[in-house]
Amino acid sequence: QVQLVQSGAEVKKPGASVKVSCKASGYTFTSYDINWVRQATGQGLEWMGWMNPNSGNTGYAQKFQGRVTMTRNTSISTAYMELSSLRSEDTAVYYCARGNRAVGAFDIWGQGTMVTVSS
Amino acid sequence: DIQMTQSPSTLSASVGDRVTITCRASQSISSWLAWYQQKPGKAPKLLIYKASSLESGVPSRFSGSGSGTEFTLTISSLQPDDFATYYCQQYNSWWTFGQGTKVEIK
Repeated sequence: QVQLVQSGAEVKKPGASVKVSCKASGYTFTSYDINWVRQATGQGLEWMGWMNPNSGNTGYAQKFQGRVTMTRNTSISTAYMELSSLRSEDTAVYYCARGNRAVGAFDIWGQGTMVTVSS
Repeated sequence: DIQMTQSPSTLSASVGDRVTITCRASQSISSWLAWYQQKPGKAPKLLIYKASSLESGVPSRFSGSGSGTEFTLTISSLQPDDFATYYCQQYNSWWTFGQGTKVEIK
């Protein structure tokens, strides 16, 4: 079935970087965009950025410009989101989500990856 | 940036109730609006796209309406499985979510 499977939970110290992976299966990886959305505990959803896996083109929310990098490895149908200069406020669940241009919305989501930033 | 404002933030309702959630955009987004349902510890699930189109597999008791700056999500007869948090999302210009509406048991 169509699914996105993310890497496991991470614990990082302030100032470090984290790289989360998102492996796609059940569809053609390069035919749909991948977005990243985060959610702090008890808070709402926050869009971080977008990547076209075919071209590698990306677009990032202004808030994360300079700190986030989205990449992919098409040979293994996997997208990556790396966030640097981590601070405690980055503690959150990070989701990848498939952007379906036919509907414009995010129709398939990964299970989420908990990233904890703590000294 | 386009801001999305949902109301109410919390809604208490009973099984069988008709429930309406409102989402307002800070500028016109045409019909580029989606609604998601999220349950605790789970990823969001797409319910509605293009303001009123029902995602495949979503029960017909869910419906969406609106265009421009004002939108609504309606659940015609609330079921036990519907107690969750609902988010609107605009995709006219990049993507922005509303702050969420928690539907809880009255």
